[in-house]
Amino acid sequence: AQSVTQLDSHVSVSEGTPVLLRCNYSSSYSPSLFWYVQHPNKGLQLLLKYTSAATLVKGINGFEAEFKKSETSFHLTKPSAHMSDAAEYFCVVSDHNAGNMLTFGGGTRLMVKP
Amino acid sequence: DAGVIQSPRHEVTEMGQEVTLRCKPISGHNSLFWYRQTMMRGLELLIYFNNNVPIDDSGMPEDRFSAKMPNASFSTLKIQPSEPRDSAVYFCASSLARLAGAGDTQYFGPGTRLTVL
Repeated sequence: AQSVTQLDSHVSVSEGTPVLLRCNYSSSYSPSLFWYVQHPNKGLQLLLKYTSAATLVKGINGFEAEFKKSETSFHLTKPSAHMSDAAEYFCVVSDHNAGNMLTFGGGTRLMVKP
Repeated sequence: DAGVIQSPRHEVTEMGQEVTLRCKPISGHNSLFWYRQTMMRGLELLIYFNNNVPIDDSGMPEDRFSAKMPNASFSTLKIQPSEPRDSAVYFCASSLARLAGAGDTQYFGPGTRLTVL
């Protein structure tokens, strides 16, 4: 069975400082991993995706994530936060044994202070 | 492409009424998913279609919920009768996956916010 744990339900940073959103996963097979972002009253937008290619994945809006198999982690980072980054972020896992099903983490709400 | 299209964006109804949510997937996509998002339970997969055929409906809460996909460009999620606990945001997503079981990126619609009074 696959599962995802987002270690922080809320993260608060100041504008211009680095962002780190933590995600650990459990998967019985080689997983695909995703980060989605949801702005208030909006749908989910794909930020980036890992599918067994390069372990460091670059996404939109300056975000990137590194797949670390030994740590079963897929943390999301950004060097410098912008006010527009304030949103809810979801770490998602999908593996071959689960077919095309996505398993969502509980989400991390990112707040950016001016 | 316009992305996944959902209608209506907001729906307010009274308990006992029938509610129909609509989704148009991205053209050429072969898989379609219905999700429900609530504060208490987060995002839950309700049902999943591949090539218009329901593959897994184990997430459908009860018999009051039904979903159809009569063709590759349209799907509906119906709740009859609706109850206040059905209040949530319902998302539709689609992906290219041609075969059930092939992992692929899912693209989400803007959602329908349902309020049942």
